[in-house]
Amino acid sequence: EAGVTQFPSHSVIEKGQTVTLRCDPISGHDNLYWYRRVMGKEIKFLLHFVKESKQDESGMPNNRFLAERTGGTYSTLKVQPAELEDSGVYFCASSPGTGSYGYTFGSGTRLTVV
Amino acid sequence: AQSVSQHNHHVILSEAASLELGCNYSYGGTVNLFWYVQYPGQHLQLLLKYFSGDPLVKGIKGFEAEFIKSKFSFNLRKPSVQWSDTAEYFCAVNGPGGSYIPTFGRGTSLIVHP
Repeated sequence: EAGVTQFPSHSVIEKGQTVTLRCDPISGHDNLYWYRRVMGKEIKFLLHFVKESKQDESGMPNNRFLAERTGGTYSTLKVQPAELEDSGVYFCASSPGTGSYGYTFGSGTRLTVV
Repeated sequence: AQSVSQHNHHVILSEAASLELGCNYSYGGTVNLFWYVQYPGQHLQLLLKYFSGDPLVKGIKGFEAEFIKSKFSFNLRKPSVQWSDTAEYFCAVNGPGGSYIPTFGRGTSLIVHP
């Protein structure tokens, strides 16, 4: 079974630019989650999709972040315009059901805003 | 809101030493508890989990964790570490009640010297 795939693995952009991160969940997993870890801090929840619908986006930091999951397959997380404090590792996870049962994480995208 | 504390941010051990990583959470009631591990360059993987039953949980690679409800703790242990255990370890808790999004701790970086 293929795992959760994220790309790019690393991205370095200048402040004010736009970056789009992509997550391909495990095939058949309706639930997709985005998390972020700022260096040295805890992994924080950003949002949760069930198929193409946003179930919970309470963790999204502000309106510079836009997540989509068209067709209920892969998801994108766009940051526009990027700020220095957006630097961190963005993780994606998917699961067949709601909750932490069967969570599978991707390797993450390390975003550096300079 | 739930919070998770991991007391040791950086741990350095020699091979064959015993390991105990602390994890405490703030909110009581019914919770599910997890330890995740991220080896260098790899994705987050589930090490072990507790949902109910025996509070001493055994996971992969010789790790175990003990849930002590009265202390709100879920410490991770391994009697004899190996160089290959070098990784970052994250404690996560979901609950109580219907809150199914796990809350993560800050992580503990473990370095094992051969």
